[in-house]
Amino acid sequence: GAVVSQHPSRVICKSGTSVKIECRSLDFQATTMFWYRQFPKQSLMLMATSNEGSKATYEQGVEKDKFLINHASLTLSTLTVTSAHPEDSSFYICSARDTSGRSPSYEQYFGPGTRLTVT
Amino acid sequence: QKEVEQDPGPLSVPEGAIVSLNCTYSNSAFQYFMWYRQYSRKGPELLMYTYSSGNKEDGRFTAQVDKSSKYISLFIRDSQPSDSATYLCAMSEAAGNKLTFGGGTRVLVKP
Repeated sequence: GAVVSQHPSRVICKSGTSVKIECRSLDFQATTMFWYRQFPKQSLMLMATSNEGSKATYEQGVEKDKFLINHASLTLSTLTVTSAHPEDSSFYICSARDTSGRSPSYEQYFGPGTRLTVT
Repeated sequence: QKEVEQDPGPLSVPEGAIVSLNCTYSNSAFQYFMWYRQYSRKGPELLMYTYSSGNKEDGRFTAQVDKSSKYISLFIRDSQPSDSATYLCAMSEAAGNKLTFGGGTRVLVKP
């Protein structure tokens, strides 16, 4: 089956620094990837839709200058949390769609998530 | 009011029992309905998918969608301790579009 990886799986950074999270589709090409955040015991909240070769579409209330998304290739999207603060501590999960036609169009494959802790 | 409502639980059942989960929603444009299972600190994995109203069965899992009532359900038969996880419903207006998740229900199946 389709596999999506995320790196790192866990990161601790100091307040004010920036941290980059990678999302890779390992065995398929993904023109569209999604970034979610999940607070403890809460559901996934969509942050932005990442499209290869174009600007990401951010959900209402998500600061695009704080959460920079780059989808430079068909297998890689990155999320950079700039000037991180403790309130940015969360579980960040990406998902990707296999648009080759091998998988159903509705299906999104989720990565294992990245736990960010800002101290 | 949230777009998708889901009882957070926890729902505790004995091994072998039927687990019954449900979500209600307010957006009548939703047409694609999914159930995901998420283990602690892992990404969600797709369990069931249903388009529009109707029932779908896959092994021990049965998904039901009633669009007239804006209500969806997931039933897990012969539950196992390995079914202990958080179950998330998710919906979208079109295939491949962004998903709107419910809050998740934590399920605990006791041996």
